[in-house]
Amino acid sequence: EVQLVESGGGLVKPGGSLRLSCAASGFTFSDAWMTWVRQAPGKGLEWVGRIKNKDNGETTDYAEAVKGRFTISRDDSKDTLFLQMNSLKTEDTGVYYCVTHHGWFGPWGQGTLVTVSS
Amino acid sequence: DIVMTQSPDSLAVSLGERATINCKSSQSVLYSSNNKNYLAWYQQKPGQPPKLLIYWASTRESGVPDRFSGSGSGTDFTLTISNLQAEDVTVYYCQQYYSTPFTFGQGTRLEI
Repeated sequence: EVQLVESGGGLVKPGGSLRLSCAASGFTFSDAWMTWVRQAPGKGLEWVGRIKNKDNGETTDYAEAVKGRFTISRDDSKDTLFLQMNSLKTEDTGVYYCVTHHGWFGPWGQGTLVTVSS
Repeated sequence: DIVMTQSPDSLAVSLGERATINCKSSQSVLYSSNNKNYLAWYQQKPGQPPKLLIYWASTRESGVPDRFSGSGSGTDFTLTISNLQAEDVTVYYCQQYYSTPFTFGQGTRLEI
């Protein structure tokens, strides 16, 4: 069974940094393309970014709203996906989901809440 | 960016009836080389992550009840839920994966 478990969320001040992790199991993580999707409180879904697998150069793509501030990386030896978030803004507040990427998204993790507030 | 627009924003339905949700993309998500529509549908219940229902516009994900069906091509798509059950009353999103940035519709809430 595919499992994705996010961690690292919490309360951070505007301008601060946070690193999210996603521990994967139940599938060959090194073959997978992975994506982060976020959801602001009471709002819809927003794609954050994607990382391809090693065979595809671990290429990353990002939404314009986070480009230059967020970085997605992976450690295939530990079956773990990361999201480094710098220069955080209040509008970055929300639940961040780690998702397997087949073009479509799924399965999804349960998410981790990031709150950016002074 | 491809803008995804769902209609309606909310829909009042009766149990046992059919619900129809529409999704329109600002440009075609049909890839001519493989004749596939790069369009997915998700269901999200309160406090839970989204769940994949449909991909390639009409292919049902494993385990999804056959009362859920997807149709459409190009820029206009529909999610149909037949014989509506109480557990289906929640929020639904469409999403295009034709090009980055991948984008979602604003969501449609089903209500009793």
